[in-house]
Order: sequence, then structure tokens, then C-alpha cells
Amino acid sequence: DADVTQTPRNRITKTGKRIMLECSQTKGHDRMYWYRQDPGLGLQLIYYSFDVKDINKGEISDGYSVSRQAQAKFSLSLESAIPNQTALYFCATSDFSDNEQFFGPGTRLTVL
Amino acid sequence: GQNIDQPTEMTATEGAIVQINCTYQTSGFNGLFWYQQHAGEAPTFLSYNVLDGLEEKGRFSSFLSRSKGYSYLLLKELQMKDSASYLCAVRSFSGGYNKLIFGAGTRLAVHP
Repeated sequence: DADVTQTPRNRITKTGKRIMLECSQTKGHDRMYWYRQDPGLGLQLIYYSFDVKDINKGEISDGYSVSRQAQAKFSLSLESAIPNQTALYFCATSDFSDNEQFFGPGTRLTVL
Repeated sequence: GQNIDQPTEMTATEGAIVQINCTYQTSGFNGLFWYQQHAGEAPTFLSYNVLDGLEEKGRFSSFLSRSKGYSYLLLKELQMKDSASYLCAVRSFSGGYNKLIFGAGTRLAVHP
């Protein structure tokens, strides 16, 4: 079984729709992250959470929101999707040392 | 500001050695990481350097010079399965937290 899972794996939606991407982990890590990846730009941090009560904005948080429902679950929402949010989205986790991040399989989101 | 530079693409021959360079400018440097990412898949951790010098792990080695803001990933005895993108990432301590900043990645093609 995968340690970090993401649902859905693929999603096509229309401009203006609300979308939620979900991430779950069984590694027992406190720290969770949401990144987006665009061709030629590498991974950019959207939001991160160091525990259930600690949520912080990353480099590109505008247009996104998150919810840390439990230690194991961290959801990313797009309140009103726009085409330039078309990207590959990754969830990641790490322990307190932060010496390695474990990534989920990714969600490919297309906004038409 | 923070900046990470690595070549966009490289090619190499099966069985050969390849060196992928990464230069960075950042405040609050707190470690440098290399991740491997096959097309359409999640990044996976390869190595971590926080002190100057060479870290060897099987066919892969990573070097760091903090004074020069420079790292490289050395891949020996290249195999076809090494064709992937290699992401250099710098951990930076700011605002009371460690943050991981990724370069755009180097796409390596290994040919027979």
C-alpha cells in the first residue's frame, strides 16, 4: 500500500468550478505540503502544515485554500478554478527532521 | 532573493558517468537535496548534503560547497532507467521555518 495517496489522480473541470484535491498519509508524519509543478518551473510550494493547528502559505497560495482535517489528511481547494491553475499537483509529507520529503503520486488537473 | 540554477537537459551514454551541476543563492541555507523524478511520476529522494564534501550512495554521489553555492550529482555506470529529471532543492530557514525550494530540474536522457 502506498504511504502517501492522492485523489483524484486526474481531473478535468471548467473555469469557475470549485475543486478539492485530497491527500492522505500512513507514515505518521506531522508535516504535510502541497506543491504544483509546471513544465520548466519545477515544484512550487502552495501551502504547508506542520501540525493540525499550524497552516502556512507558501510561494503561490493565491487562489488556493487548504484544510488539515487530521494528522493524516491535508486537502487543497480551488474555490473558483481558472485555466492557469492547470498543472500537476503533489502532496508531500516529512517528519520533524525534514531531511526527506515523501511525495504522493500526483493529481493532474486541467481547467478548461 | 532565492535562486537555483541547473541545466535544462543533458544526454549521456549507457555505462558512462554524468555530472549534473546546481548553483544556488539563498539566505538561511540549511541543506541541499537531490530528487529523481521519472516522467509523470512523483519525485523520490536521492541525497542530502548539509556539510561540505562528497556523500556517496551506491552509483550516486552528491557534492556540496557552501562557500561557492554549488552542488553536483554524479551518476556512475549509467543505466537506461536513469533517464529522468533530477531536481536540486535547497532548504532555507526563514520566518521561523525550514522551506524547501526546488530548481526547475535537469532532464537526463541515457541512450545506448
